[in-house]
Amino acid sequence: DVVLTQTPSILSATIGQSVSISCRSSQSLLDSDGNTYLYWFLQRPGQSPQRLIYLVSNLGSGVPNRFSGSGSGTDFTLKISGVEAEDLGVYYCMQATHAPTFGSGTKLEIK
Amino acid sequence: QVKLQQSGAELVKPGASVKLSCKTSGYTFSTSYMSWFKQIPGQSIEWIGMIYAGDGGTGYNQKFKGKATLTVDTSSSTAYMDLSSLTTEDSAVYFCARGTFDYWGQGVMVTVSS
Repeated sequence: DVVLTQTPSILSATIGQSVSISCRSSQSLLDSDGNTYLYWFLQRPGQSPQRLIYLVSNLGSGVPNRFSGSGSGTDFTLKISGVEAEDLGVYYCMQATHAPTFGSGTKLEIK
Repeated sequence: QVKLQQSGAELVKPGASVKLSCKTSGYTFSTSYMSWFKQIPGQSIEWIGMIYAGDGGTGYNQKFKGKATLTVDTSSSTAYMDLSSLTTEDSAVYFCARGTFDYWGQGVMVTVSS
């Protein structure tokens, strides 16, 4: 199985602060079709996961543009440029290049 | 608009089976994929498997082969997951999600207890 290592596990931020979350894969996520199937999700307390980013850097429909994704191969990053109160929750990276697996999650707390 | 509506919470006895449903609307179900996921509260998410509604073709996480069976009913645009021989380790929230993971059901809590 592909292992995704997310860091940090807990992130404490003030409103307006910019933060980044890292996701490192045990194998390359570049598919033979040329796509990299790396996604980012936010799961707010008591809710289903919400897709933020797909194919590494594409913003999901209705997702604010303070969220951005980058990376390639085995190293990926989610950046939030100016945290807002509604951003609290747990962030997960997920890969679907191989049998889908998720990172262990990063809990974003608002100071 | 796209909706995925899952069935209600289940309390089942060890050794029993349960069938979960995910009723969809707002898009063409018959040419789409559906994935199912498991999440134990407080833990990360596991992919169980995926089904293509067009032909019923499936792919499973090796861990869930023999535990989960995915099916669809295209006439009602509904996806199903059967979970068999339940143990306390199967107690979790189960989600369905459309092919590119852009829409998710609300999740259903399955509790296995005698």
